Amino acid sequence: SQQGEEDPQALSIQEGENATMNCSYKTSINNLQWYRQNSGRGLVHLILIRSNEREKHSGRLRVTLDTSKKSSSLLITASRAADTASYFCATVPGSARQLTFGSGTQLTVLP
Amino acid sequence: GAVVSQHPSRVICKSGTSVKIECRSLDFQATTMFWYRQFPKQSLMLMATSNEGSKATYEQGVEKDKFLINHASLTLSTLTVTSAHPEDSSFYICSAREVGRSGANYGYTFGSGTRLTVV
Repeated sequence: SQQGEEDPQALSIQEGENATMNCSYKTSINNLQWYRQNSGRGLVHLILIRSNEREKHSGRLRVTLDTSKKSSSLLITASRAADTASYFCATVPGSARQLTFGSGTQLTVLP
Repeated sequence: GAVVSQHPSRVICKSGTSVKIECRSLDFQATTMFWYRQFPKQSLMLMATSNEGSKATYEQGVEKDKFLINHASLTLSTLTVTSAHPEDSSFYICSAREVGRSGANYGYTFGSGTRLTVV
């Protein structure tokens, strides 16, 4: 089963603009991770934020985490056409061992 | 870094036949591997957790007799789709977690996926 929802389901922006995706989850977590998936391909790990962190940066990526609201956001700044992909948040809920994924956001960056 | 190799990347089979998908951890040992299924424009849904040397744990609604999982060694797990039907057509992705590793993503590494088409 899915841990939570992401919004928007689809996002289309112009190159150079910023893209923000949101993720909500249901149970307590130790960390939250963001992954990228190009069409028909495997997953690429982007960034991990721990439950005691509120914000984390990696290059053009900025992730926030609000454990009180059980939500996270992924911001991609100065987007490029190559950023076009699906983006998923993922957590390990409770005492589980497996990653559980959100519903995903399909990002399209128009050149 | 950790690498998981998944084969084949793409397979087309006839309805009623069986298909085996392999997932190998190339440079680390994985006592646990995970199998996900992804339908078009949807998220990854966990099918089963593969445990080395013991039976796999299947998620609710996943038929264990149809999706056979074997995890005979610390570096190899296989998923066999038996008596495949067109509705089994999907993208299957495996994931392995390295024992004792605490890297950037707490040790979850994904294969590149297998596109299964049943005709």
